[in-house]
Amino acid sequence: RKEVEQDPGPFNVPEGATVAFNCTYSNSASQSFFWYRQDCRKEPKLLMSVYSSGNEDGRFTAQLNRASQYISLLIRDSKLSDSATYLCVVILLNQAGTALIFGKGTTLSVSS
Amino acid sequence: GAVVSQHPSWVICKSGTSVKIECRSLDFQATTMFWYRQFPKQSLMLMATSNEGSKATYEQGVEKDKFLINHASLTLSTLTVTSAHPEDSSFYICSARYRAGGNTIYFGEGSWLTVV
Repeated sequence: RKEVEQDPGPFNVPEGATVAFNCTYSNSASQSFFWYRQDCRKEPKLLMSVYSSGNEDGRFTAQLNRASQYISLLIRDSKLSDSATYLCVVILLNQAGTALIFGKGTTLSVSS
Repeated sequence: GAVVSQHPSWVICKSGTSVKIECRSLDFQATTMFWYRQFPKQSLMLMATSNEGSKATYEQGVEKDKFLINHASLTLSTLTVTSAHPEDSSFYICSARYRAGGNTIYFGEGSWLTVV
């Protein structure tokens, strides 16, 4: 099983749609969780941190389920500008130091 | 949020030469920095983890003698691609862990390397 798994998509949705991405992680000792957004030929940018209590920022809601070891991202009222690749990132602190584990990303395409 | 600056943004070099890329955390101390490579339409690939004051930890398949990483201070890590070849042409990105900020990872802007 891969350490962090995401459905690569692409998810093709119309403007205004609600879309949800999931990400599963295999190491129960994982400590921190994030969603990043990466536009084509650009660096990833932090979208939001993910907590068990949930985290909402405008049209974006992220949720962590530790028991099931998955992270979700919900985007409401999709905009054309939301088209990007969304990366799930897990941080694991172990004896060797900090391990930063990326999912391969989920591609979202929003069309008019 | 915290800022990570990477330089240069674009570099073209001749085959066989060496190129240095700098990664700086501008407003926080980064004990851990990460270096990635990304080929077109592919995922980020972790090359190495750089810890301040110690040797970098390289991922399997990454040649440590070819990709030299130095993390001499809490705000600067450098990646040197030695004896570059055209197949080294890629997008190189660094990131830094902002420990005081909940372990959030911030990325540099990336460096496009083209070896001709």
